[in-house]
Amino acid sequence: AQKVTQAQTEISVVEKEDVTLDCVYETRDTTYYLFWYKQPPSGELVFLIRRNSFDEQNEISGRYSWNFQKSTSSFNFTITASQVVDSAVYFCALSEAASGNTGKLIFGQGTTLQVKP
Amino acid sequence: DTEVTQTPKHLVMGMTNKKSLKCEQHMGHRAMYWYKQKAKKPPELMFVYSYEKLSINESVPSRFSPECPNSSLLNLHLHALQPEDSALYLCASSLRTGTGANEQFFGPGTRLTVL
Repeated sequence: AQKVTQAQTEISVVEKEDVTLDCVYETRDTTYYLFWYKQPPSGELVFLIRRNSFDEQNEISGRYSWNFQKSTSSFNFTITASQVVDSAVYFCALSEAASGNTGKLIFGQGTTLQVKP
Repeated sequence: DTEVTQTPKHLVMGMTNKKSLKCEQHMGHRAMYWYKQKAKKPPELMFVYSYEKLSINESVPSRFSPECPNSSLLNLHLHALQPEDSALYLCASSLRTGTGANEQFFGPGTRLTVL
C-alpha cells in the first residue's frame, strides 16, 4: 500500500536556524515520484520539487535542499538559514507510475513550520 | 503564465442554495483536479478530469457536480450542501495524467462556509 508519513506535526525555530522536515514513504512500485509542496497561510499550495525514483541525486535550490535516500525510503527537506517567510505547512507527496494514469497524489499529513523572528 | 485562478475567493451559502466554483488555467494543461481541504489536514482528491473527460470521482456525494466546459475551465456546482462541507476547495492542473511525473499546480482556493 502507498503511504507518506511526516512524523513532525509542528516545528518551531528561530530565524536563521537550519531546519529539516522529514518524509518517509511506502510504495510497492519501482517507478514513483516524490513531491514537496508549501502551503502558506494564504492557502495556495506551491510546488517546490519533484524527484523521480530512478534519480537519487540530491538537489539544492538556494536555501532549500532535498535528500532522497531509497535505502531508507526517505525524502527529507532542509531549509538553511530559515526566514519568517518560510512559515507554512509543508506537504510531502507520492505519485506512483502504476496509478499515474489517475494523477492521484498521496499526501503526508503535513508539517507546520513556524519561524520566529 | 504558470497560474491557476479560482473564483470566488470566499463563499458563504445556505444549505438550500445553489452556487458554483470556477477554476481557470492557461498553461495548456490537459488534466484538472478538484480537492477538498479541511483545517490542519492534507488535501483530499475529489475529481480528476483528463482531456475534458471525468476520469476519477472519489465517491463524492452528488451534491457536488463537476463540469469541464473546455480544456482551460473547470467548474464545481454545489447544491444542498451540509455544514460539514465547509472547507477550502482547491483546484489544480497538470500537463496530463498518464504518468505520475507531472507536478500539479494549485490555485489559491475558495474558502466555503455552509450555514
